[in-house]
Amino acid sequence: DGGITQSPKYLFRKEGQNVTLSCEQNLNHDAMYWYRQDPGQGLRLIYYSQIVNDFQKGDIAEGYSVSREKKESFPLTVTSAQKNPTAFYLCASSIDLWTSSNEQFFGPGTRLTVL
Amino acid sequence: AQSVTQPDIHITVSEGASLELRCNYSYGATPYLFWYVQSPGQGLQLLLKYFSGDTLVQGIKGFEAEFKRSQSSFNLRKPSVHWSDAAEYFCAVGGSSNTGKLIFGQGTTLQVKP
Repeated sequence: DGGITQSPKYLFRKEGQNVTLSCEQNLNHDAMYWYRQDPGQGLRLIYYSQIVNDFQKGDIAEGYSVSREKKESFPLTVTSAQKNPTAFYLCASSIDLWTSSNEQFFGPGTRLTVL
Repeated sequence: AQSVTQPDIHITVSEGASLELRCNYSYGATPYLFWYVQSPGQGLQLLLKYFSGDTLVQGIKGFEAEFKRSQSSFNLRKPSVHWSDAAEYFCAVGGSSNTGKLIFGQGTTLQVKP
């Protein structure tokens, strides 16, 4: 079945550590996205990528980094510079970045907790 | 700038009752509009979308939504709610300048009473 997988489902981090969240899709989509979800704030865009080796900052990119070395993969690193990283992180993909009518498909999410 | 407002943070309805979740958007051109549902601890699932044509859109799980340009609204409705509909619902509008980025509302949490 085609879809998006995220791992791990739960992640615990000590302050000062970097952690990487995995996102893989087998939908053959060009565009991929990372969102952060906090209670009462909806989804906020962290980074997005339209193609391999290209990505753009979203609305809240500070303290995060990404890479897009393969079409299927878009890992997110939460660095120690992110002041308040505890949140639910969602990865999504769409056919491309240029068609506004494209729906986004979401993974199951990773809950990150900083201890 | 584009924006989406979901005026109701939390709604409680009885099982079998009708449901309407409100969504208002701000966008200069013809918007592309989406409703997603999220069960606790899960990702988002698309319920329905509108980008042209008939203003009444049918979706999965018995949901429908009506696009009203004059009111800048895209309200989600269901005639008879089931206990399994308890979840968080997000309205979203497609990005400007022909981008695939979505702007999400803050979400409405639906509680269903037995």
